[in-house]
Amino acid sequence: DTGVSQDPRHKITKRGQNVTFRCDPISEHNRLYWYRQTLGQGPEFLTYFQNEAQLEKSRLLSDRFSAERPKGSFSTLEIQRTEQGDSAMYLCASSLAPRGGLLNYGYTFGSGTRLTVV
Amino acid sequence: TQLLEQSPQFLSIQEGENLTVYCNSSSVFSSLQWYRQEPGEGPVLLVTVVTGGEVKKLKRLTFQFGDARKDSSLHITAAQPGDTGLYLCAGAWAGGTSYGKLTFGQGTILTVHP
Repeated sequence: DTGVSQDPRHKITKRGQNVTFRCDPISEHNRLYWYRQTLGQGPEFLTYFQNEAQLEKSRLLSDRFSAERPKGSFSTLEIQRTEQGDSAMYLCASSLAPRGGLLNYGYTFGSGTRLTVV
Repeated sequence: TQLLEQSPQFLSIQEGENLTVYCNSSSVFSSLQWYRQEPGEGPVLLVTVVTGGEVKKLKRLTFQFGDARKDSSLHITAAQPGDTGLYLCAGAWAGGTSYGKLTFGQGTILTVHP
């Protein structure tokens, strides 16, 4: 397995345009997470899936953001009507689901998609 | 909302010095992880701790989980320039749909000068 892949690595878009990012997780992993990170800060949770079900979406996320994981494999994150404040690194991670009440497994992150809204 | 406080936010030290990074929360973690991130890349897992009082070592890195499972520390001995990066703690809290979801601290940017 080649790890978690994200595409594109970089995206520059004009304010008001829509953008879509793709994430291909490790094939054995049933959980997939999206985070957003600004320079020098920790990742901020956006949403996550277990298989094809979206289990949680951050309350900080506006309705311009939507994510899908059809068939429980790859995932897409779409941002509609982009704003300059959306400029950030968008990180995808995958993991196995927790067992026995503990987070036994770490996340494997992709290299991220850096979005710049001009 | 569970929050993680990391300190210090920045560390700039000389090669060979020791350092400690702290991670604190008002909530009890079910487990806690430490990650290291280099510029332009995603975070990479260093360690997972789950038992209060647990100590784990990874070469020159020592990780400690507080007895009450509300805090953790990362200690680096004899830092090297290759240790430079963003260090992140991330906690998981049991229960509900947040089960197994990690919340990250704001990170500590470490720079080790030769």
